[in-house]
Amino acid sequence: EIVLTQSPGTLSLSPGERATLSCRASQSVSNTYLVWYQQKPGQAPRVLIYGASSRATGVPDRFSGSGSGTDFTLTISRLEPEDSGVYYCQQYSRSVSFGGGTKVEIK
Amino acid sequence: QVQLMQSEAGVKKPGASVNISCKASGYIFTDFGVTWVRQAPGQGLEWMGWISTYNGNTNYAQKLHGRVTMTTDTSTNTAYMELRMLTSDDTAMYYCARGVSQFDYWGQGTVVTVSS
Repeated sequence: EIVLTQSPGTLSLSPGERATLSCRASQSVSNTYLVWYQQKPGQAPRVLIYGASSRATGVPDRFSGSGSGTDFTLTISRLEPEDSGVYYCQQYSRSVSFGGGTKVEIK
Repeated sequence: QVQLMQSEAGVKKPGASVNISCKASGYIFTDFGVTWVRQAPGQGLEWMGWISTYNGNTNYAQKLHGRVTMTTDTSTNTAYMELRMLTSDDTAMYYCARGVSQFDYWGQGTVVTVSS
């Protein structure tokens, strides 16, 4: 099983700031098999990025994904108040697993 | 539009079973598998397994082997997940999602509370 470790656990930033979320895998993940989700309280997760760097339909371009191998990053270039929530990475290179999540708080 | 509508479950006693349904609409059911994911209170997402709606093949998480069964009814475009021998560790929100690798549509979730 591939273990995904996300950091930091919590990120507290002001609107307009840049957020950088990390997802580290215990084994190499093929680029195309890494996905990022956003989850808001009381809601199901929503896919943001698939294939490590492709934005899903309707996702604002302030969200971008990058990385390869064992290190992946989700960047939110200019935080908006509605970006608060928990962000999860997920791989399906070997079975399926999710990271533990990064909570983004907007000050 | 694509929708996944889940049933309600509620409170179950330890040792009991729960059966959750997930009715799909807005797409060809057999074109996409269905995955089940759960989330304990205040915790992250846990993959439970998937079922192919095309041929019924399944792939379960190792830790749930022997306690979980996923099935589908293609005549009603519905997927089912049964979890047996419930313990307090199974208290969670249970989601169905479209796909077996990445999940673009999710059900609204079903709360299962295991308590005596």
